[in-house]
Amino acid sequence: QQQVKQSPQSLIVQKGGISIINCAYENTAFDYFPWYQQFPGKGPALLIAIRPDVSEKKEGRFTISFNKSAKQFSLHIMDSQPGDSATYFCAASSLDGTGRRALTFGSGTRLQVQP
Amino acid sequence: ETGVTQSPTHLIKTRGQQVTLRCSSQSGHNTVSWYQQALGQGPQFIFQYYREEENGRGNFPPRFSGLQFPNYSSELNVNALELDDSALYLCASSWGTGTETQYFGPGTRLLVL
Repeated sequence: QQQVKQSPQSLIVQKGGISIINCAYENTAFDYFPWYQQFPGKGPALLIAIRPDVSEKKEGRFTISFNKSAKQFSLHIMDSQPGDSATYFCAASSLDGTGRRALTFGSGTRLQVQP
Repeated sequence: ETGVTQSPTHLIKTRGQQVTLRCSSQSGHNTVSWYQQALGQGPQFIFQYYREEENGRGNFPPRFSGLQFPNYSSELNVNALELDDSALYLCASSWGTGTETQYFGPGTRLLVL
């Protein structure tokens, strides 16, 4: 059962535009929501993360918007640049009964920023 | 501070064979988690190792097994390889089992023919 649903599957944005990627989750126990950026041939790299006690977090051109009641969160990339072209994954995690935390990933969004 | 490293980078095996993948955790990290990333999909949690013991497993069969060594490095072993095992295998390290931030290595690309 997919617990984190991500859309769109792919996205083409013009340089300088805004890229928006959406995720929805089912497990209300999730308490940490990171976004990872992955370039071809590389492992995922943490981009930005949010906890459910805040509705928005901004770091440079990257912003996470979080809607706890709707169980949705999104990544906004402002002033998108060709160097942002990569695959983006949303993820979620929670502590289980043993104190272990494992990430549940969305299926990914392939972003292409055209010059 | 060194990052997470994995070896080998690429591997080709045939169905039924066994494979061992290796991971060195980031300096100061004592927990290693392994993930399988099929082509075009997000990573899926395989299992986590802490203090040289398996500390939780995702929905993967027992032919996926692992080890963690005193220096916190780790191995992922897969027996009786199947075609569907073809994927990018990622390890991620963190300090403690409940730490939110996990740092990923570059992965090992496994192709099973």
